[in-house]
Amino acid sequence: DMKVTQMPRYLIKRMGENVLLECGQDMSHETMYWYRQDPGLGLQLIYISYDVDSNSEGDIPKGYRVSRKKREHFSLILDSAKTNQTSVYFCASSLVNYAEQFFGPGTRLTVL
Amino acid sequence: QQKVQQSPESLTVSEGAMASLNCTFSDGTSDNFRWYRQHSGKGLEVLVSIFSDGEKEEGRFTAHLNRASLHVSLHIREPQPSDSAVYLCAMVYQGGRALIFGTGTTVSVSP
Repeated sequence: DMKVTQMPRYLIKRMGENVLLECGQDMSHETMYWYRQDPGLGLQLIYISYDVDSNSEGDIPKGYRVSRKKREHFSLILDSAKTNQTSVYFCASSLVNYAEQFFGPGTRLTVL
Repeated sequence: QQKVQQSPESLTVSEGAMASLNCTFSDGTSDNFRWYRQHSGKGLEVLVSIFSDGEKEEGRFTAHLNRASLHVSLHIREPQPSDSAVYLCAMVYQGGRALIFGTGTTVSVSP
């Protein structure tokens, strides 16, 4: 069963704390993505990973970094979280560029 | 920067009636457009991908693309209450690198 998983599903943190969001996929997809979704803004691309240790900034990378040490795992890290990073974060994966993206269920992050 | 605008923001239809959603994009450089559905609290589910002008049908969902008028639409035939969700259109850009999304249309289907 092809799947993208995200952990945790819900997270509450205080401003200034570090945040780690995890994403996994079981399809051996090369390309993985992190998006955030905010009301009225739709989904915005934070980072893309083309394969292990091959990451590229998306449209809104400021305040985020990523790590991909295994093809099936892609992490989003917020060092010293800010209240404006409260959002729903989606991970996605695709076989290659242009291919269909499969989305995870999302992580709802609240930064107080 | 590329933009994608969706209309209407929300739509209520009766079960069995046709639902029509619209999406306009800022330029015609992309050749790959998609419609996604997102049920409340869930991830995105792709409905239709369309690559050339004309029509593409996937079950009860039909997309129409007209790149000259920078427009792609989605028609939902015989909508059911389970189709109540947010519908997002998206355009592939930057050489297939990623998607740019519209802000969504909330569809409510009443029995």
